[in-house]
Amino acid sequence: GNSVTQMEGPVTLSEEAFLTINCTYTATGYPSLFWYVQYPGEGLQLLLKATKADDKGSNKGFEATYRKETTSFHLEKGSVQVSDSAVYFCALSGGGADGLTFGKGTHLIIQP
Amino acid sequence: EADIYQTPRYLVIGTGKKITLECSQTMGHDKMYWYQQDPGMELHLIHYSYGVNSTEKGDLSSESTVSRIRTEHFPLTLESARPSHTSQYLCASSLAGSYNEQFFGPGTRLTVL
Repeated sequence: GNSVTQMEGPVTLSEEAFLTINCTYTATGYPSLFWYVQYPGEGLQLLLKATKADDKGSNKGFEATYRKETTSFHLEKGSVQVSDSAVYFCALSGGGADGLTFGKGTHLIIQP
Repeated sequence: EADIYQTPRYLVIGTGKKITLECSQTMGHDKMYWYQQDPGMELHLIHYSYGVNSTEKGDLSSESTVSRIRTEHFPLTLESARPSHTSQYLCASSLAGSYNEQFFGPGTRLTVL
């Protein structure tokens, strides 16, 4: 079956630091890949997506590249802000499943 | 504005009560989903629907039931709430052929005493 593995948190960084949150996946076929963000007390918001190999999704300074050879979709941002503090979920769609398959989430804490 | 709504946002209720969590979307999406999010943040699919009169069980077994009588409405019902049902419930929707890009509601945090 499908699975998504992402680095465990919490990840604590200082403002303006470089961010990487690792995500690897297992799926049959050619899944679509997503990063969602969840702020406290809220639902999930789509941050970015990639639907085929070598696609780069980007939004609000965040980027992730769909790497089929390494089955990875790592999230990066060059300079984080306090407002980026949230829980980040890597997810995939496809591989015969009907819903999204999520990783366990990474809690990101940015200190001023 | 096209959106997805969930009510109530918070619910505290006693054991044995029947509850219905509401979910509505105004985006015209045919697919809708319910996820349960445990305190450790992990999300599990419990129900989904391809359209009117379609309901399916998800990966995680749940004592809840759902119905889809109208395209925009996908309520979840617990006939007899128990403390083990305490969780965050997230509703989502997607458009067919959109790579299953899902849009989420704000969630309902349920506490059963």
